[in-house]
Amino acid sequence: GAVVSQHPSRVICKSGTSVKIECRSLDFQATTMFWYRQFPKKSLMLMATSNEGSKATYEQGVEKDKFLINHASLTLSTLTVTSAHPEDSSFYICSVSRQNTEAFFGQGTRLTVV
Amino acid sequence: EDQVTQSPEALRLQEGESSSLNCSYTVSGLRGLFWYRQDPGKGPEFLFTLYSAGEEKEKERLKATLTKKESFLHITAPKPEDSATYLCAGHSYGQNFVFGPGTRLSVLP
Repeated sequence: GAVVSQHPSRVICKSGTSVKIECRSLDFQATTMFWYRQFPKKSLMLMATSNEGSKATYEQGVEKDKFLINHASLTLSTLTVTSAHPEDSSFYICSVSRQNTEAFFGQGTRLTVV
Repeated sequence: EDQVTQSPEALRLQEGESSSLNCSYTVSGLRGLFWYRQDPGKGPEFLFTLYSAGEEKEKERLKATLTKKESFLHITAPKPEDSATYLCAGHSYGQNFVFGPGTRLSVLP
């Protein structure tokens, strides 16, 4: 069965609005979750590491104020794309790592900003 | 800087035509080399983890091998349902996963 649940799978929003994406670890408690962005025919680009109970760690070039990450519990992390623009349209994927070994991925969220 | 590359970028095979995908890595202190399958519009699906040179793992028509510098994903007698993008990733102690760009495999009936 699925280890990671990501919701929604698809979302269309208007420019200027905010969109929240949820990532749930179903099998185990996760102190760390990862958020990736994937462009068409490209590999996964790590955006940030979500840490339960503390601030997320963002990769270089990723705007903290645009991509808000909240990891309020050991099983839930959320990514909020604020003031969305068409260039934010992409495929966003979350990941959970068990004891820093295997990485399990959510089914991804296709965001389209119109 | 840790880096993972994959070749070829895309591969088209006839059903039953065996081949191999390559993953080359320069990851200091490699803890594990991972293979994933990704279907369009879906998240990556875990296939294998290899931990040391010489290790091999098999699953149905797939076999993954690892050397000190690269990993191969061998596909034996592929079927159309094996069509997908195959990603490899290196993981070192205390570091995040570093993904390769992937190989897009198309298996024609």
